[in-house]
Amino acid sequence: GENVEQHPSTLSVQEGDSAVIKCTYSDSASNYFPWYKQELGKRPQLIIDIRSNVGEKKDQRIAVTLNKTAKHFSLHITETQPEDSAVYFCAAIYSSASKIIFGSGTRLSIRP
Amino acid sequence: DTAVSQTPKYLVTQMGNDKSIKCEQNLGHDTMYWYKQDSKKFLKIMFSYNNKELIINETVPNRFSPKSPDKAHLNLHINSLELGDSAVYFCASSQGRGPGNFGAGTRLSVL
Repeated sequence: GENVEQHPSTLSVQEGDSAVIKCTYSDSASNYFPWYKQELGKRPQLIIDIRSNVGEKKDQRIAVTLNKTAKHFSLHITETQPEDSAVYFCAAIYSSASKIIFGSGTRLSIRP
Repeated sequence: DTAVSQTPKYLVTQMGNDKSIKCEQNLGHDTMYWYKQDSKKFLKIMFSYNNKELIINETVPNRFSPKSPDKAHLNLHINSLELGDSAVYFCASSQGRGPGNFGAGTRLSVL
């Protein structure tokens, strides 16, 4: 069946360095790829998304890249700060939002 | 005003009981969702409604029944609760594609 693989499951980076999280999806019918941030005990929050007709999107320190041919997409966080510490989830949305599959999450820790 | 509100925030109950979780959104979104997040933090969609019509119904036990009286509300009723139902349940809404706004979650503990 369709799935989304997310790596790494945990990531620890020095404050100020960059963090990269990668996701691979299986069904080429996916056409929308959001990323969510979930702080401990809080709700998931949509932080950035990308549609299948775009290769890259940036919002301040956060960027997402998509490689449709390879069926993978990545979240890039630059100049990391302590408040970036959280669990990050990717998702692949299939056409007409008829199917939504989440990655297994990446716990990002920022070392001071 | 809270955009997506769900009640209760915590729910502790015995096995075999029936319980409901309510969700309301004031964003005017057409689509609402229910998600389950287990103890390992895996997030999985359960149901999705668009304008009161069911569009996603993942493989969940039929003890779970969503009800959408109007497009601003999507409630979740659970019959004959089991230990494995213990999780955090999130309601969410969006206009079009995947969920953009989540509720604060309902932590369900089945004893």
